[in-house]
Amino acid sequence: AQSVTQPDIHITVSEGASLELRCNYSYGATPYLFWYVQSPGQGLQLLLKYFSGDTLVQGIKGFEAEFKRSQSSFNLRKPSVHWSDAAEYFCAVGYGGSQGNLIFGKGTKLSVKP
Amino acid sequence: DAGVTQSPTHLIKTRGQHVTLRCSPISGHKSVSWYQQVLGQGPQFIFQYYEKEERGRGNFPDRFSARQFPNYSSELNVNALLLGDSALYLCASSQREVRGFLSYGYTFGSGTRLTVV
Repeated sequence: AQSVTQPDIHITVSEGASLELRCNYSYGATPYLFWYVQSPGQGLQLLLKYFSGDTLVQGIKGFEAEFKRSQSSFNLRKPSVHWSDAAEYFCAVGYGGSQGNLIFGKGTKLSVKP
Repeated sequence: DAGVTQSPTHLIKTRGQHVTLRCSPISGHKSVSWYQQVLGQGPQFIFQYYEKEERGRGNFPDRFSARQFPNYSSELNVNALLLGDSALYLCASSQREVRGFLSYGYTFGSGTRLTVV
């Protein structure tokens, strides 16, 4: 079955430090890859998406992600974390076709130390 | 422009009862999807509707049903509620491009928090 793995349940970084959140997906042709962020009690906000072209994708709020097909990975990065980035981050994958459902990872909770 | 709107925001029901959750997509979007997010987990796909037809169904029991109306709004119905149905129910809207829904992406609402007691 298709799946998404986010190995880190909880990460704590200091404000101003760099961040990398890991995401691995099970093999599938033409994956559509997404990162969403969820603040407590809120819905999901799309940070960025990838389905073709340049493997380094820029998103909102200064985030970027790199698609590495050989590693089946789509890691999210930010060079300098702000306290407002504290939230839960979800990686999701879809496999195209007429059906467009997303398969989500279990999420990584990000805490930011002052 | 209004985003995806869901109602109600919170709901408490008793085991065995029935519940109806509502979703209005972004204006111009014809696809609505429903997801269930249990505490501490990622969202799980329940249904997708496009142009009032069911386009996809996740691994949920028949107690879960949905429909889409001519104005593209949608309802999710859950019968015979169980304690395990307590979750945040998220609605997402999208539009279909040449490459499908995924290339366009999904916009999520803030969800309905359902508590079954």
